[in-house]
Amino acid sequence: DAKTTQPPSMDCAEGRAANLPCNHSTISGNEYVYWYRQIHSQGPQYIIHGLKNNETNEMASLIITEDRKSSTLILPHATLRDTAVYYCIVLPRNTNAGKSTFGDGTTLTVKP
Amino acid sequence: DSGVTQTPKHLITATGQRVTLRCSPRSGDLSVYWYQQSLDQGLQFLIQYYNGEERAKGNILERFSAQQFPDLHSELNLSSLELGDSALYFCASSQTSGYSYNEQFFGPGTRLTVL
Repeated sequence: DAKTTQPPSMDCAEGRAANLPCNHSTISGNEYVYWYRQIHSQGPQYIIHGLKNNETNEMASLIITEDRKSSTLILPHATLRDTAVYYCIVLPRNTNAGKSTFGDGTTLTVKP
Repeated sequence: DSGVTQTPKHLITATGQRVTLRCSPRSGDLSVYWYQQSLDQGLQFLIQYYNGEERAKGNILERFSAQQFPDLHSELNLSSLELGDSALYFCASSQTSGYSYNEQFFGPGTRLTVL
């Protein structure tokens, strides 16, 4: 399964867009990009996932580059409650959860 | 609210003891997963059950065991507890058929403290 690289931390001003990058240069054609976040000591929360097309839901947008080697999670109007650790995971659908390794993620701090 | 419930929220016990953590998945989800999160290890996958059967095993110690019951709730049993077992234990559920990955929905966790 593809390995992902994320910056350890990022800051964002409240009300501005937060753009969280993820590098997955070894991604395979059948692997999806999943994003989760974990607010301090709470259970991780599923945000969004995609294969190759850009995706949007009520929480965020996911932009995947054409070569699929990287992606960006966009929180359009960050609030203080979006302060969390954001995890990018890449794996195929035909696998079990044992492969879903949550790495160190990116700690996003939204500042007033 | 993810729809996944876990009890208890907090558990304090002594070394050598045995505890049981309980999880109820979202309505309709047949797969249940257990994770351990300690300060120095990050989120570690322990085990997955699908419709009562074990589907995948991760870094689960032999002192730990789990099961999923006919009503789909699951229990994680931790025995001969050691100080290093102190951690947050999360349960997650998903609609996966068992051999595939679908987005997971996590419960609020049980914080276990071993003294």
